[in-house]
Amino acid sequence: DAGVIQSPRHEVTEMGQEVTLRCKPISGHNSLFWYRQTMMRGLELLIYFNNNVPIDDSGMPEDRFSAKMPNASFSTLKIQPSEPRDSAVYFCASSSPPGNYGYTFGSGTRLTVV
Amino acid sequence: AQSVTQPDIHITVSEGASLELRCNYSYGATPYLFWYVQSPGQGLQLLLKYFSGDTLVQGIKGFEAEFKRSQSSFNLRKPSVHWSDAAEYFCAVGENTDKLIFGTGTRLQVFP
Repeated sequence: DAGVIQSPRHEVTEMGQEVTLRCKPISGHNSLFWYRQTMMRGLELLIYFNNNVPIDDSGMPEDRFSAKMPNASFSTLKIQPSEPRDSAVYFCASSSPPGNYGYTFGSGTRLTVV
Repeated sequence: AQSVTQPDIHITVSEGASLELRCNYSYGATPYLFWYVQSPGQGLQLLLKYFSGDTLVQGIKGFEAEFKRSQSSFNLRKPSVHWSDAAEYFCAVGENTDKLIFGTGTRLQVFP
């Protein structure tokens, strides 16, 4: 298995632009998670899906952030408009049922908003 | 609310020395506990996990961790550290059926 695949690995964009981060979970995993990592705040859970349905989006910082999972093999995290404070590494992770057996993380997308 | 504390932000050890990274959690029920490692520029990799049973769990790369309910701890240990173990280590506790809460991490530096 290729693991959790995230794209792009790096993204540099100007403030105000729309940014879309992509994630392909491991086949058969039915839970998908988006995390943000910064030096100041560490790892923050933004949102997670179970069977393609958003379960908890309480970590999404504000309305500028949105996430979708149109099918079991693809998810996006969109920021519109982007701001410099959104600069961080964004990780996608997936896990397999049943119960809680730990996540498999992707390599992350390093986002820089200038 | 569930929480995880890693008291040590940064630890430095000599290669070949033993290692213990501390993790304390706050959780009402029997927790699911995890240790992850993150090398620079990489995602997090699962080292080991505890759900139930034997309180001493073995993981990859020669790591082990011991669950101590009385101390609400799940410390990570390795008898002899290698230079390649230099990385950041995260403890996490499982909430509900899926949601993991991560600690703030401990950065391990290894001197030759």
